[in-house]
Amino acid sequence: KAGVTQTPRYLIKTRGQQVTLSCSPISGHRSVSWYQQTPGQGLQFLFEYFSETQRNKGNFPGRFSGRQFSNSRSEMNVSTLELGDSALYLCASSFGAGYGYTFGSGTRLTVV
Amino acid sequence: TQLLEQSPQFLSIQEGENLTVYCNSSSVFSSLQWYRQEPGEGPVLLVTVVTGGEVKKLKRLTFQFGDARKDSSLHITAAQPGDTGLYLCAVISGSSNTGKLIFGQGTTLQVKP
Repeated sequence: KAGVTQTPRYLIKTRGQQVTLSCSPISGHRSVSWYQQTPGQGLQFLFEYFSETQRNKGNFPGRFSGRQFSNSRSEMNVSTLELGDSALYLCASSFGAGYGYTFGSGTRLTVV
Repeated sequence: TQLLEQSPQFLSIQEGENLTVYCNSSSVFSSLQWYRQEPGEGPVLLVTVVTGGEVKKLKRLTFQFGDARKDSSLHITAAQPGDTGLYLCAVISGSSNTGKLIFGQGTTLQVKP
C-alpha cells in the first residue's frame, strides 16, 4: 500500500517568504502530525490533526500553522520565513493515538 | 531539560561488534517506541514496548522496557553496515487520545565494514 507522501521533497526559500508543505497520509489514517527536525533540537512536535481538527500544538510561534482536509490530507504553512526555519519537516500518519505512526520522507526546507 | 535522555549520542563500531543504546527518563510511561531513521528519510517504527520488564526481539535487535517503565534499551548483536542510522526512542505525551510524540535526541550509529 502507498505510504505517507510529502511534497515537495526539497525547497529553497528566501527570508520573509512563506511556504506551504503537503502531506498525504496512508489511506484510512485520520491522524496527521507534523514534526520539525534540526541537528541542534532534534525532532520536535509541531501539531496534530484528527478529522480536520487540531488536537494538539507544540511550542512553535504562530507563524507555523496547519490544516487538514476532509480526505485527511494535510498542509502546513510557515509565514515570514527565518533562517532558523531551515529544517527537515516530517509528517506522520496513524489510525489514531495508540496505533503506530508512519512517517513520510520529509520536506527539506532551506531558507537563504 | 530533555524528557528522554539517550546515550551514547554517537557510536562508531566495526561490523560484528555488539552494542547497546539507552533511553532514560525520570518519568513513567505507559509505552515507549523505538525508531530508526536513515539519511534523507523519515523515522521507521521498529517496536513498541508497553509492559514493565518486557523484552522484544527483532532479528538481531533486542529491546527491553525497564521494570519501572522509566527507561529502555536497544541491544544489537553482531552489528552490520545496514544497521547504520539514527536510533530514536519516543513516548506519547499528553492524554491517551492525542498523537504527540516526544523524541529523545537520538543515537547516531555507524557500522564500518
